[in-house]
Amino acid sequence: DVKVTQSSRYLVKRTGEKVFLECVQDMDHENMFWYRQDPGLGLRLIYFSYDVKMKEKGDIPEGYSVSREKKERFSLILESASTNQTSMYLCASSPGPLFNQPQHFGDGTRLSIL
Amino acid sequence: GENVEQHPSTLSVQEGDSAVIKCTYSDSASNYFPWYKQELGKRPQLIIDIRSNVGEKKDQRIAVTLNKTAKHFSLHITETQPEDSAVYFCAASSSGSSNTGKLIFGQGTTLQVKP
Repeated sequence: DVKVTQSSRYLVKRTGEKVFLECVQDMDHENMFWYRQDPGLGLRLIYFSYDVKMKEKGDIPEGYSVSREKKERFSLILESASTNQTSMYLCASSPGPLFNQPQHFGDGTRLSIL
Repeated sequence: GENVEQHPSTLSVQEGDSAVIKCTYSDSASNYFPWYKQELGKRPQLIIDIRSNVGEKKDQRIAVTLNKTAKHFSLHITETQPEDSAVYFCAASSSGSSNTGKLIFGQGTTLQVKP
């Protein structure tokens, strides 16, 4: 069974801090994704990666960056956290290079920026 | 840009009744349509998916239908039970990044099944 593990379930940070959210998958998937989930807005894609050291912007990349140094690990970085980045963050992975495969999600990190 | 619209945003049914959630998509090249269920405090989980070469797929009480001409697809849940209460998300594949598995998600439907 695919396992996607996010490093924290809950995180509280202060405005201006640099924040790291970590995600690890154990199924050797090529594709990894970061979403944020807000009520009434569904899942919005922040960044995704289809290979080590490769990354592409999603729909809402502003204020975020990502890192993928190893295939199993995909990190989301908030360069200077702001209160409007308070949200639920979900990581997902899917096999590639075949597209049109299900994405498998982690449990999410609920991030609060004070 | 690519867009997926999902309706209704909330749906309340009596136990045993059917529930239908509808999604429309804008990218005519989309060819993969998964549905996810997210229970309160849990991760989204895939419950059923359909590819564009079929018009309907069933799995016990859950079915999905696809109308490529009209660019819409629907989730049907029959004989609903309280444990079906959750948020449901539809999604459509994006052709813009054809080898990356990118999906566009709908806004979600909160389904409440009353005992």
